[in-house]
Amino acid sequence: EVQLVESGGGLVQPGGSLRLSCAASGFTFSSYAMSWVRQAPGKGLEWVSAISGSGVSTYYADSVKGRFTISRDNSKNTLHLQMNSLRAEDTAVYYCAKDSPNGDYVDYWGQGTLVTVSS
Amino acid sequence: VIWMTQSPSLLSASTGDRLTISCRMSQGISSYLAWYQQKPGKAPELLIYAASTLQSGVPSRFSGSGSGTDFTLTISCLQSEDFATYYCQQYYSFPRTFGQGTKVEIK
Repeated sequence: EVQLVESGGGLVQPGGSLRLSCAASGFTFSSYAMSWVRQAPGKGLEWVSAISGSGVSTYYADSVKGRFTISRDNSKNTLHLQMNSLRAEDTAVYYCAKDSPNGDYVDYWGQGTLVTVSS
Repeated sequence: VIWMTQSPSLLSASTGDRLTISCRMSQGISSYLAWYQQKPGKAPELLIYAASTLQSGVPSRFSGSGSGTDFTLTISCLQSEDFATYYCQQYYSFPRTFGQGTKVEIK
């Protein structure tokens, strides 16, 4: 059974940093691309970032490019999202997501971790 | 960036109704489209990928169609557990983008 468990969310001041982690199990982690998707309170889904199975290729939404960094540790089956220069508009539930075998759509989602950016 | 227009944003319906949700792309994406269902306080779940392929375990009352720029999600006979918000997503190119969502509520 695929399991994705996020951690690292919390309250941070504008301009601050936070590192999210996602512990994956139930599949061969290094064989799959992974993504982060966020959802601001009461709003829709927003794709944030993706990383290939090897970690060589990374992709970002324009809204986070230059501020967020996605990475993975295949030896520990863990996905990370380093978030710097946080803004109020980054407040959201952040979902860790496993991509499909071809690295296209998301086929499994974690339960999410809430990030609140406020002074 | 590929922009997506999902409509309607709100749909009031009754159990047993047939529903159609539309998703239109700013440019052609072949069949690289997925549909997700999200219930309040829960993570989204995959319903359909490749525009029309049902994810394993998803009831057959859900179906998807379309290619290029125009896509449709149909629920043939709405059940109580189907009241939720539905999102389309293109995976033709990065950045991936989602539609704005369609909330299906009880009439």
